[in-house]
Amino acid sequence: SQQGEEDPQALSIQEGENATMNCSYKTSINNLQWYRQNSGRGLVHLILIRSNEREKHSGRLRVTLDTSKKSSSLLITASRAADTASYFCATGGGGAQKLVFGQGTRLTINP
Amino acid sequence: DTEVTQTPKHLVMGMTNKKSLKCEQHMGHRAMYWYKQKAKKPPELMFVYSYEKLSINESVPSRFSPECPNSSLLNLHLHALQPEDSALYLCASSHPRYTEAFFGQGTRLTVV
Repeated sequence: SQQGEEDPQALSIQEGENATMNCSYKTSINNLQWYRQNSGRGLVHLILIRSNEREKHSGRLRVTLDTSKKSSSLLITASRAADTASYFCATGGGGAQKLVFGQGTRLTINP
Repeated sequence: DTEVTQTPKHLVMGMTNKKSLKCEQHMGHRAMYWYKQKAKKPPELMFVYSYEKLSINESVPSRFSPECPNSSLLNLHLHALQPEDSALYLCASSHPRYTEAFFGQGTRLTVV
């Protein structure tokens, strides 16, 4: 079963613009993660935000978490063509627990 | 070494064949996972192994048979698959104390 929804399902922007993706989840969480998947390949962990954190930064990535709304957002600033990929939020995981993914956002960066 | 290695990268098999997918990691992770991913969909959890024991089976059909022979290896044995089982099969591992999962590049399986 999937944890929640992501929107938009697809996003196409020009290189240099910022990209924002949103994720909603259904159950209470200890943390939320974001992963990137290049076309047809494995997933790469981007960033983890804990339930007691509201915002976290890593390079050009900024993640926010609103536990009252059960939602998170991922902002990629100054996008590059290499950022073209699918982005998934995920909840759970760790200690051999289920890691459950949202539906994902397919991001296309146009040169 | 922070890699999870999956072999083969591509596999085409008939519905009467028996094949195996392999996954290997040398990061000392004691949790290992199999996921199935259809096109334009998120990965769906199939199995979780914790310390070489099967801890979660997401009601996967018995034509998929996982095996964890040691702490570094995870296999997925395939038998009598259906065309709808064609998908990208992803292996992942994680440290018992941390949440981040490391994924292999996947095996693209086509059942004909």
